[in-house]
Formats: sequence, structure tokens, C-alpha cells
Amino acid sequence: DVKVTQSSRYLVKRTGEKVFLECVQDMDHENMFWYRQDPGLGLRLIYFSYDVKMKEKGDIPEGYSVSREKKERFSLILESASTNQTSMYLCASSPPGTGQSYGYTFGSGTRLTVV
Amino acid sequence: GQSLEQPSEVTAVEGAIVQINCTYQTSGFYGLSWYQQHDGGAPTFLSYNGLDGLEETGRFSSFLSRSDSYGYLLLQELQMKDSASYFCAVRENRDDKIIFGKGTRLHILP
Repeated sequence: DVKVTQSSRYLVKRTGEKVFLECVQDMDHENMFWYRQDPGLGLRLIYFSYDVKMKEKGDIPEGYSVSREKKERFSLILESASTNQTSMYLCASSPPGTGQSYGYTFGSGTRLTVV
Repeated sequence: GQSLEQPSEVTAVEGAIVQINCTYQTSGFYGLSWYQQHDGGAPTFLSYNGLDGLEETGRFSSFLSRSDSYGYLLLQELQMKDSASYFCAVRENRDDKIIFGKGTRLHILP
């Protein structure tokens, strides 16, 4: 069964901490994405990557960075966590070109609380 | 700017049919897809429309009219397990990035 795995289901961090959210996929997909999901706002794209060592900003990249050193792993980094980054974070992957027609595969999400 | 509009909530009865509409306003359009998300779960891909018309997958169908910038998801023979949020999503240009609507919460009454 193909899978996108996010390392933590729940995470509590303090304001100002550096936070790493890890995502690993076993489908050999080129594309990987990080979204955050908030009530009433839907899914908003933070960053995405089409290949190793490349990254593109999404709609809300401020306060975040990403790393993709290996094809299967895409990390989201909160350089200095703030309370307004409390949210559900979802990682997704897709094959290139046909990603829309086959859809994204999402991980189960990480619910991050910043206190 | 880009926008996808869908109703925030819809209520239907078990066994009935329900339609969830989505209108979009984007700079480009390369396809409309639908995702289902149960409470506490991950979004899962349901369907995709790249061309006008109806696509059917079991009890679920999805429709697209590009001239009207409009699509819908049709769920037939509703079951309680269909209670979930449903998101429409648009691919705006040639890359694989998609924009999601804010979601429609579907409530099913017994």
C-alpha cells in the first residue's frame, strides 16, 4: 500500500523554537507539497518541490522554509515558531505531469500546537 | 485573484442524492478535482475532470463546464459513511500545483 508518512501526529512546541516536520513517501513521486489546514480556510499551500534540492514558494511561505535532500523526503521548517502557526500540517505527493488526474496522496497530518 | 467557491455545509438524507457545487475564478485552468476528508483523516482523491462533461466512479460522479467555470460532485445512494468534508481543487497552470476550495461539510441524516 503506497504511503505518505508524517513523522508526528501531534506536536506541542514553545514560541520561538525551531520546529521540523518530516514527510516521507514511498511512491517514487517527484512532486511533494506542504499545506496547512485551518477551520474555514481550507488547505493553503506553503511550499512545494518538483525535484531534489528544488523548492517553490506557495501562497503562504512566510515563517517557513523547506528542505529536500532526498527524493522521498520533504521537510518543513518553522524557523521560530509562533502561536499563529498552530495548525494542522498536511504533506502530499504526486507523480509529475499526471498529478492532477491521479490526484495527490496525503499524509495523515501533524497537528502542531505552539504555546 | 484566484478563488474557488463552494457551499460551507450541505445536509441530505441517507439513501438520497446530493450535489455539491464549485465555481472557480483562476488565471488559468487545467482541470478540476475533488477530495474527501473525514474528521481527523487525510484528504483522499475522488475524481478529476479535465474536459467538459460527466465522469462517473461508482456512486460518485463529477461534472465540469469550463465555459461556466463550474463543476459539481454528485453523490448517489448516500450512506452514513459519506459524512465528511468535500473539497474542489483547480490546477491553474501547467505545473502540478493545485488550489483548494474551503470545503463543504456534508451532513447525512438517517
